[in-house]
Amino acid sequence: KQEVTQIPAALSVPEGENLVLNCSFTDSAIYNLQWFRQDPGKGLTSLLLIQSSQREQTSGRLNASLDKSSGRSTLYIAASQPGDSATYLCAAYTDKLIFGTGTRLQVFP
Amino acid sequence: EADIYQTPRYLVIGTGKKITLECSQTMGHDKMYWYQQDPGMELHLIHYSYGVNSTEKGDLSSESTVSRIRTEHFPLTLESARPSHTSQYLCASKRGGYTEAFFGQGTRLTVV
Repeated sequence: KQEVTQIPAALSVPEGENLVLNCSFTDSAIYNLQWFRQDPGKGLTSLLLIQSSQREQTSGRLNASLDKSSGRSTLYIAASQPGDSATYLCAAYTDKLIFGTGTRLQVFP
Repeated sequence: EADIYQTPRYLVIGTGKKITLECSQTMGHDKMYWYQQDPGMELHLIHYSYGVNSTEKGDLSSESTVSRIRTEHFPLTLESARPSHTSQYLCASKRGGYTEAFFGQGTRLTVV
């Protein structure tokens, strides 16, 4: 059974800092790993998708890496802004899409 | 742009009522998923489908049922709502393999 864990559970930082969010998964036979953002009371917005054959993906200030063999993915946020405040979720896809526990991020001015 | 829709967005209903939460997608995706999420908590997979006439239970036991008669439609039904069913329900769809999953905006259900 796939289990996905994210650390830290919560993070509060001043604006401008570079951040690293971690995701680990137990079953390395994944097709892909996807990072999402969720604002309070809302649905999920897809940020980045890394296919199992890829090692990283970039979109703007976001960079996600994937190490399948060790069961780890990292989301790097450069020059954080207050608008980045949200919960960040990773999800590993085998035949089901299984979510991690999330990292609640607060960026203060 | 994701074309997956959930209705209603918000629902307050009395105990014992039967309810159906709707989820529709226009992308022709085979795989569809239902998740339950309590406030501030993680998403739990409660049902999923690989295609028409395929339904499977997820990792979290749920008293709800689902059906998949058409590719684009994956409704979730509670035969008799209880206060313990109060939660947010999120629907997602994707093609198989290496592709991206898309989510609806969710239905926030309150059972009083």
